[in-house]
Amino acid sequence: DTAVSQTPKYLVTQMGNDKSIKCEQNLGHDTMYWYKQDSKKFLKIMFSYNNKELIINETVPNRFSPKSPDKAHLNLHINSLELGDSAVYFCASSLQGLSSYNSPLHFGNGTRLTVT
Amino acid sequence: KNEVEQSPQNLTAQEGEFITINCSYSVGISALHWLQQHPGGGIVSLFMLSSGKKKHGRLIATINIQEKHSSLHITASHPRDSAVYICAPEMEYGNKLVFGAGTILRVKS
Repeated sequence: DTAVSQTPKYLVTQMGNDKSIKCEQNLGHDTMYWYKQDSKKFLKIMFSYNNKELIINETVPNRFSPKSPDKAHLNLHINSLELGDSAVYFCASSLQGLSSYNSPLHFGNGTRLTVT
Repeated sequence: KNEVEQSPQNLTAQEGEFITINCSYSVGISALHWLQQHPGGGIVSLFMLSSGKKKHGRLIATINIQEKHSSLHITASHPRDSAVYICAPEMEYGNKLVFGAGTILRVKS
């Protein structure tokens, strides 16, 4: 049983399209995250939700919209895709917010998005 | 200057060697995470620590909050340890991680 699963694993699409990446965790965690890893392998936080409420929203274009229907799911919808959106997107979860000493992160396997 | 500096950027070791990866940061933190990214791309959390030292198997992580420095040690390294190791301080305010660029480790048999 995969703890944090995200789909699809690979996503190839053309500029201007709208796409979604889904993430689900079966760990009973309260907090979920989306991270972006660029071509230089730098990871950066995009969004964080705690029990379906948005708690972190970094400087991310409005074309990116997270949606959390329940605390086990955090999906990422991207409108009007651009070449610069090509990256690997990682979903993650933790038992509580990161301020807790006992909340290590659990990552999904990543979604490699290629915009052509 | 980056908020998080890791060294070395690349490291090649012979199987059995003792390995040290260093991380210095400039922000105030509440904890620090060490992550491992496998060649296949998956990311695993190795340690989360806010003081002192933690040990898990052949891996040891230490942190000195006053000096804003953390180290990850691997004893008796093995080719399966080959991966990217990422230091990620957890900011004191804002509930988020800042990431180092990673150290690419290759252990040769």
